[in-house]
Amino acid sequence: RKEVEQDPGPFNVPEGATVAFNCTYSNSASQSFFWYRQDCRKEPKLLMSVYSSGNEDGRFTAQLNRASQYISLLIRDSKLSDSATYLCVVNNGNDMRFGAGTRLTVKP
Amino acid sequence: DTAVSQTPKYLVTQMGNDKSIKCEQNLGHDTMYWYKQDSKKFLKIMFSYNNKELIINETVPNRFSPKSPDKAHLNLHINSLELGDSAVYFCASSQASRPDTQYFGPGTRLTVL
Repeated sequence: RKEVEQDPGPFNVPEGATVAFNCTYSNSASQSFFWYRQDCRKEPKLLMSVYSSGNEDGRFTAQLNRASQYISLLIRDSKLSDSATYLCVVNNGNDMRFGAGTRLTVKP
Repeated sequence: DTAVSQTPKYLVTQMGNDKSIKCEQNLGHDTMYWYKQDSKKFLKIMFSYNNKELIINETVPNRFSPKSPDKAHLNLHINSLELGDSAVYFCASSQASRPDTQYFGPGTRLTVL
């Protein structure tokens, strides 16, 4: 089983849609959690951290369920510029483990 | 202004050659990393350096050797390149106290023919 698993997609949605990505992780001792965004042929960039209480940053909402070892990202009112690959990242204390990413395409 | 820079951006070479990729960060970070992203898009950590000491070394072949001349640089040297080494290699950096907040370089796309 992979340490961090994500639905690879692709998710193709119209502008304005709400889309949700899921991620599961296998190491119950994982300490911190993140969503990174990676544009085509570019480097990953931190989108947001994920907290147990859930957190929101504009149109983006992240949730963590430690009991289920599950992380989610919700994007509301999708924009064309949201098209990218979203990487679920788990910090095990020693290093960061990346999921393979979920690809999102937002269409006009 | 570039926070983490890598050179070259593209590298095409023959099997068996030796090549180096350079990385520099101007963020004042004390930890630097090398990641490999393969064709399936998995980003896997290869090495990290903290104050010139290797603190993570995943099971990568010993043909790969990181070299850190100072805190701002972590270069990756690869000996006897193989076809399977073709990938995008990303350098990243962070503060040792905040290893979960990493800044990535633009990547080096290595193609081994």
